[in-house]
Amino acid sequence: GQNIDQPTEMTATEGAIVQINCTYQTSGFNGLFWYQQHAGEAPTFLSYNVLDGLEEKGRFSSFLSRSKGYSYLLLKELQMKDSASYLCAVIMGRDTGRRALTFGSGTRLQVQP
Amino acid sequence: DAGVTQSPTHLIKTRGQQVTLRCSPKSGHDTVSWYQQALGQGPQFIFQYYEEEERQRGNFPDRFSGHQFPNYSSELNVNALLLGDSALYLCASSLAPADTQYFGPGTRLTVL
Repeated sequence: GQNIDQPTEMTATEGAIVQINCTYQTSGFNGLFWYQQHAGEAPTFLSYNVLDGLEEKGRFSSFLSRSKGYSYLLLKELQMKDSASYLCAVIMGRDTGRRALTFGSGTRLQVQP
Repeated sequence: DAGVTQSPTHLIKTRGQQVTLRCSPKSGHDTVSWYQQALGQGPQFIFQYYEEEERQRGNFPDRFSGHQFPNYSSELNVNALLLGDSALYLCASSLAPADTQYFGPGTRLTVL
């Protein structure tokens, strides 16, 4: 099975930059998602990386290294509303559209004034 | 554009009872996946439905079953409830062949 590791908790200051790391097993890997989940709410889609490299979307960027089994989510210009859990999820296998997401336990980010 | 909807929002049951949770996918989506999320954990995959058939299943017992209707909506049924079934149940929809899944607000199930 897949084993996804990400830090349990992180704290950062408003206006700063924070990087949330995620490592996974590379066997069968085909893509990696990042979701944001506020307490008591549904996960919301942030990014999907299939190829190596950095993808930027506003204040959020996501990086993937397939050979190293490593990804990170970079949050810039942190705002209080960014306090949430950030979930890393991988997709495996070749049957596109029929693949389940395997999630890590999530990283709870607290942004302080 | 309607997102994924789920009902009910909250549910309280006792051990041994049965429960049915409902999900309507995002407009235009045809695939529905169900996940169980325990407190402080990431979601765990239960099963996925496409064309009214279960296409993939996670490591959950047969007490967990589901259905997909011709309008793509879906139900999750859990029989013989255990205390450990207390969790947030999330439904996610997608449009084949894309893999990106969009989640509903979830149903919080408490088993006493």
